[in-house]
Amino acid sequence: DQQVKQNSPSLSVQEGRISILNCDYTNSMFDYFLWYKKYPAEGPTFLISISSIKDKNEDGRFTVFLNKSAKHLSLHIVPSQPGDSAVYFCAASAGYGGSQGNLIFGKGTKLSVKP
Amino acid sequence: EPEVTQTPSHQVTQMGQEVILRCVPISNHLYFYWYRQILGQKVEFLVSFYNNEISEKSEIFDDQFSVERPDGSNFTLKIRSTKLEDSAMYFCASSEILYGELFFGEGSRLTVL
Repeated sequence: DQQVKQNSPSLSVQEGRISILNCDYTNSMFDYFLWYKKYPAEGPTFLISISSIKDKNEDGRFTVFLNKSAKHLSLHIVPSQPGDSAVYFCAASAGYGGSQGNLIFGKGTKLSVKP
Repeated sequence: EPEVTQTPSHQVTQMGQEVILRCVPISNHLYFYWYRQILGQKVEFLVSFYNNEISEKSEIFDDQFSVERPDGSNFTLKIRSTKLEDSAMYFCASSEILYGELFFGEGSRLTVL
């Protein structure tokens, strides 16, 4: 039962180019979405989030887009840097009126940014 | 920068033994969580804790699991009788506000033999 799907296990991008990581979800009750970055031997680190009342949120080089009708969100990293190489997890929550911090994670996409 | 700390970083135990994983959340945070990640699989929610009681738990969090905040700083996860399938990386997390950003610790790797 995969409520949050990241269909690409890996992605390789050249430094300076755009990285686009995709995430699909099935539960229409999800109203809060987050991206976490994880380096080996470390815990996930929060990157950026978006609530369902928005369709875009931007923070520096990172932009998250939400398409509620398609139940799809994406993370854009522009420009990509070698230090961005990590596993990126999409997570969702039925927060408001739903669970309290019960984040449902996708399986992750391993991003490799090559110099 | 404040951070969530977890101990031990790695624990090896025999099946059937009790294990306690410890976490020190960020000091002004009020909400605490345990997640786990089995090797090669996704990060899974176990339990959330607020105001000295469990707020929510997943179906993974059965009677073998318990959480406790024994003092003002520690937050522990106890597994009473470990099974092979409990082998995983266990992440503690905390947040300042409800639905706030979760700060994760570096994880405790549990290996059950």
